[in-house]
Amino acid sequence: EDQVTQSPEALRLQEGESSSLNCSYTVSGLRGLFWYRQDPGKGPEFLFTLYSAGEEKEKERLKATLTKKESFLHITAPKPEDSATYLCAVRGGGSNYKLTFGKGTLLTVNP
Amino acid sequence: GAVVSQHPSRVICKSGTSVKIECRSLDFQATTMFWYRQFPKQSLMLMATSNEGSKATYEQGVEKDKFLINHASLTLSTLTVTSAHPEDSSFYICSAREGGRSTDTQYFGPGTRLTVL
Repeated sequence: EDQVTQSPEALRLQEGESSSLNCSYTVSGLRGLFWYRQDPGKGPEFLFTLYSAGEEKEKERLKATLTKKESFLHITAPKPEDSATYLCAVRGGGSNYKLTFGKGTLLTVNP
Repeated sequence: GAVVSQHPSRVICKSGTSVKIECRSLDFQATTMFWYRQFPKQSLMLMATSNEGSKATYEQGVEKDKFLINHASLTLSTLTVTSAHPEDSSFYICSAREGGRSTDTQYFGPGTRLTVL
């Protein structure tokens, strides 16, 4: 069974204070690792897809990296508008594109 | 691109009634659509996967007769909660995967908040 563990559960940063969120996973035949951002009362917003160890992707202040066991979402010089829950999900080798989600990291960036 | 809509965004109903939620992919054709349920401060739990023109595949523990899913076209899937009860109150979110592409990315709708009184 695929499993995803995210840490920390919650993270408070000051504006401009860079940090990283962790996503550890166990999966049978990784087909993709996904990062989403979710604001309260809304659906998840797609950020990145990573497919193989060593892959990196960037978008504005966010950078996602992938190893064989975990992924990191690095946030550089965050702003208050980056406050949200960040979700990590994996797709394993099973059929029908099913994703397994972690519980998320609630990020709060104080001005 | 890759926009998914849901309707309604919020619904309140009485116990015993049925509620239908629509999920549409607005700018792409969705070969596969997914329905999730999310409880407060918890992550997304997959309820079922539907492919256009086929019967939905339900996750273990999800009642097929209670949560009816229809994926009648490449841009529309519906979830009907039949004979809703207060324990069915939750945040329901759909997602869609674009067919014919190598990417596995699912794009999510904004969600529907269901409250059963």
